[in-house]
Amino acid sequence: DAGITQSPRHKVTETGTPVTLRCHQTENHRYMYWYRQDPGHGLRLIHYSYGVKDTDKGEVSDGYSVSRSKTEDFLLTLESATSSQTSVYFCAISESEGSRADTQYFGPGTRLTVL
Amino acid sequence: AQSVSQHNHHVILSEAASLELGCNYSYGGTVNLFWYVQYPGQHLQLLLKYFSGDPLVKGIKGFEAEFIKSKFSFNLRKPSVQWSDTAEYFCAVNALEGNEKLTFGTGTRLTIIP
Repeated sequence: DAGITQSPRHKVTETGTPVTLRCHQTENHRYMYWYRQDPGHGLRLIHYSYGVKDTDKGEVSDGYSVSRSKTEDFLLTLESATSSQTSVYFCAISESEGSRADTQYFGPGTRLTVL
Repeated sequence: AQSVSQHNHHVILSEAASLELGCNYSYGGTVNLFWYVQYPGQHLQLLLKYFSGDPLVKGIKGFEAEFIKSKFSFNLRKPSVQWSDTAEYFCAVNALEGNEKLTFGTGTRLTIIP
């Protein structure tokens, strides 16, 4: 398995509070991604990063922000958590993108519950 | 924009039965295609991938998939399933032109009855 860890693995929080999820990789891959997984929707891309301090929005970015100050760490922040953000969040990494070589590898996930 | 359809939402099979899970995508250009598996309570793991070359791709655990470009399909197959194959299976496609990102289907839940 790729060297990806996510923290925390489980979190329960209240509506309106800020939450930060961390993804850490030991593979030195350039690209990192945050997805959310919800029943009936599969995985949907929230934000992604193509290098240190280089990030962009995905399909479902509203209410989320990200930061990447080091190659190995990619943080996802919910500025003010809402119940609709209750989900399982997965981080993924890839060495390349838009080429014949890119494959994404996934972390273990964070289960977030917003009450 | 690209999209992926997995028409089988839940499939129930007995052990030793043959499996075929459908996957169709909408993009007309060059694509990378993937199947991921998610065992209960675990993260997604890569099952197999197609980049180019032989359209019949073999993956781990006896799974294979066939890319049929004319049908925009990448169906997953296994000749004889085991109880341990109980999991959710996701098809994903990544177009190589434009700024498209990896797009996932909604998944197929596979239940194998011993």
